[in-house]
Amino acid sequence: DAKTTQPNSMESNEEEPVHLPCNHSTISGTDYIHWYRQLPSQGPEYVIHGLTSNVNNRMASLAIAEDRKSSTLILHRATLRDAAVYYCILSRAGGGADGLTFGKGTHLIIQP
Amino acid sequence: DAGVIQSPRHEVTEMGQEVTLRCKPISGHNSLFWYRQTMMRGLELLIYFNNNVPIDDSGMPEDRFSAKMPNASFSTLKIQPSEPRDSAVYFCASSFRQGRAGELFFGEGSRLTVL
Repeated sequence: DAKTTQPNSMESNEEEPVHLPCNHSTISGTDYIHWYRQLPSQGPEYVIHGLTSNVNNRMASLAIAEDRKSSTLILHRATLRDAAVYYCILSRAGGGADGLTFGKGTHLIIQP
Repeated sequence: DAGVIQSPRHEVTEMGQEVTLRCKPISGHNSLFWYRQTMMRGLELLIYFNNNVPIDDSGMPEDRFSAKMPNASFSTLKIQPSEPRDSAVYFCASSFRQGRAGELFFGEGSRLTVL
């Protein structure tokens, strides 16, 4: 699987938008971009995924660069409950079929 | 709907003992994954099953580790004999194999401490 690069940690203020970047310069044309997050003492949970177009759901938005070499997860209005480790993952075969390879992710700290 | 159910939530055992971790996937899901998480190595995929058949066990660290899925609603991960370096949180996840980007649903994990 192609690799992703994320900042180790980021800090933001409550009720402000958060933009979490991910670089994936070796992405192939058929790789999906997945985002998961892991809250303290819990298992990872799905946030969003996309292929080429920007995606929105109730949790977040995913903005994918035109060349697909980077993407940004956007939390529109962060709350304290959004403090977690966020993982950006590429999947060549599809996460639901063959599993996902997690990196170290970005530790998001939310200040009240 | 109940999510992925793992048991036990916490296990403390002594080196050399056998450990069995259990997982009940979400009903209707046909893929099951076992992960291990440590501070040093992060989340590692150990093995996964599709339709109860093991597909890739290349992540299983040693022969001391084994996993089975006798039916669609139950899987076990066994460590025999256990060693202190096996201490970790073990997660089970399931998904429905749909196209190329199915969502993984994780359980709450089993925290194993080997003394």
